[in-house]
Amino acid sequence: QVQLQESGPGLVKPSQTLSLTCTVSGGSISSGSYYWNWIRQPAGRGLEWIGRMYTSGTTNYNPSLKSRVTMSVDASKNQFSLKLTSVTAADTAVYYCARGYGSGSNNWFDPWGQGTLVTVSS
Amino acid sequence: SYELTQPPSVSVSPGQTASITCSGDNLGDKYASWYQQKPGQSPLLVIYQDNRRPSGIPERFSGSNSGNTATLTIRGTQTMDEADYFCQAWDSSIVFVFGGGTKLTVL
Repeated sequence: QVQLQESGPGLVKPSQTLSLTCTVSGGSISSGSYYWNWIRQPAGRGLEWIGRMYTSGTTNYNPSLKSRVTMSVDASKNQFSLKLTSVTAADTAVYYCARGYGSGSNNWFDPWGQGTLVTVSS
Repeated sequence: SYELTQPPSVSVSPGQTASITCSGDNLGDKYASWYQQKPGQSPLLVIYQDNRRPSGIPERFSGSNSGNTATLTIRGTQTMDEADYFCQAWDSSIVFVFGGGTKLTVL
């Protein structure tokens, strides 16, 4: 059974870059028709999709974050990563990684990692 | 940009049927998924492709999607079903969008 685990600094200073890694276990990140996602959730609020990446290198980002987001994958380590530049307090949230499946308008996320809280503060 | 609207809260008595709606322009032309999130936990997929249940999700969970509204229905609601529920769909403008979430209270 595939499991995902986020890792990275829990505290980032304003204007700096947030960097997170998601490690996939129980299966190869390169197998199947899956893609790999980052999703965030500010405290007490809803979910916001950040972006997705296929192991082929194809990426899609949320237009509202696109100018600040970069995703990458390291298949040899079964990991994928997120970089979010020029962070502000508004980027404080629990960040989840999740596996995506589907095509066209038929897509879903399963499973999700446990999430990691990232606080932006000086 | 595309938006999905959910009621902030829904209450139901144990054993009764809970219905949680998700509204969006022509949502019925897209596919909807639903996620359950309990306090301190990550979201769990409970419905995908409008009405399909992943392995391990109880049969009391079902979904439908038509017109502008997708609905998550929980029959014979149990206290363990108390959680936040989020709908999700795909749109070409943003790729993936989530509803604001509905807090289901079982009392």
